[in-house]
Amino acid sequence: QLQLEESGPGLVKPSETLSLTCSVSGGSISTTSHYWGWIRQSPGKGLEWLGSIYYSGSTYYNPSLKSRVTVSVDTSKNQFSLKLASMTAADTAVYYCARHGYTSAWYANWFDPWGQGTLVTVSS
Amino acid sequence: SYDLIQAPSVSVSPGQTANITCSGRGLGDNYASWYLKKPGQSPVLVIYQDTKRPSGIPERFSGSRSGNTATLTISGTQASDEADYYCQAWDSLTYVVFGGGTNLTVL
Repeated sequence: QLQLEESGPGLVKPSETLSLTCSVSGGSISTTSHYWGWIRQSPGKGLEWLGSIYYSGSTYYNPSLKSRVTVSVDTSKNQFSLKLASMTAADTAVYYCARHGYTSAWYANWFDPWGQGTLVTVSS
Repeated sequence: SYDLIQAPSVSVSPGQTANITCSGRGLGDNYASWYLKKPGQSPVLVIYQDTKRPSGIPERFSGSRSGNTATLTISGTQASDEADYYCQAWDSLTYVVFGGGTNLTVL
């Protein structure tokens, strides 16, 4: 059974860069039929997609965050990572990683399964 | 780009049918996915490609799409179905789009 687990600091200072890693177990990240994505949920708000990556390194980013987001993949470790620069209090959220399924031309896409999430607080 | 619009809240009596809708012009060309989100838990995919149900999701969860509106239907709603439900789809400009979420109350 595929499982994903996020890891990283729970507290980040304003203006710093957040670095999170998602470790994938029970399956290979080097699959041709899936991307791997990052999604967050700020307190009291809805779900917000940050970016997704293919095992080859091809990426899609949320245009509203594109200048701050970098997603990378390490197939040798079966992991993918998120970097979010210039953190502010507005970036306080639970960050999830998930497998990102899709059909040709992206007419359909979905996230399944999800990691348990990790709370990141931005505070000095 | 487009937004996915969901009603903030829906109420249903136990055993009745709950319909949660998601509207957006991009749904005319793209399939919808649906997620269940309970406080303190990770989101769970309950419907993808408009109508497909992942393994392990009860049959009382079903999905449909007509024109620019996708609908998640929960038949025989149970107290345990109380949660926030999010729709999601693809947009050629902004890529992944989530709806604002609908809080389902079973009372």
